[in-house]
Amino acid sequence: GAVVSQHPSRVICKSGTSVKIECRSLDFQATTMFWYRQFPKQSLMLMATSNEGSKATYEQGVEKDKFLINHASLTLSTLTVTSAHPEDSSFYICSAQYSYEQYFGPGTRLTVT
Amino acid sequence: GDSVTQMEGPVTLSEEAFLTINCTYTATGYPSLFWYVQYPGEGLQLLLKATKADDKGSNKGFEATYRKETTSFHLEKGSVQVSDSAVYFCALSEGGSYIPTFGRGTSLIVHP
Repeated sequence: GAVVSQHPSRVICKSGTSVKIECRSLDFQATTMFWYRQFPKQSLMLMATSNEGSKATYEQGVEKDKFLINHASLTLSTLTVTSAHPEDSSFYICSAQYSYEQYFGPGTRLTVT
Repeated sequence: GDSVTQMEGPVTLSEEAFLTINCTYTATGYPSLFWYVQYPGEGLQLLLKATKADDKGSNKGFEATYRKETTSFHLEKGSVQVSDSAVYFCALSEGGSYIPTFGRGTSLIVHP
């Protein structure tokens, strides 16, 4: 149980375009989901906390207009990287809270060319 | 604030060697402690956890003991396999927060 999926697993987009990443809790309902960014050989950086039915809470230094988060249902949160640039290339990981723990998705590798 | 310090990697071992990855933490209260594993190209998986002092978490041959007196949660395995090659993250969460604070991760490379 407590499986979290992400789609797509890899995406390549051109600079200036937007890309949407989906995070789904497959077998449980998650009122709270989290989005992380991981740079090569580094730890996870929490970007934002996504709450179902309300606005996301962004960590300091994360541009909310660039990284749009929507948590429209109890099983789905989306992260949209708007007007992507090469420096946005990274590994994005979501997680969902369930029974006092976080369960992580498999990650999405974003490459902006 | 809370923080987690892990030994720097990569840790390179031969198959069947003994593994220790050191982890120490700083916290204001009584945190829960975790080890996560990230296989190449994948997300994080919870490997084991301990929620109070002297608890031992264990899974897949890995063990870690919550040592409050030394604020440590070192990861050990008696005999590593090539398939254990991954990045290991030590983490803590405190109080009502379920958001882990992660260490920087330690890469483990196991050679046949």
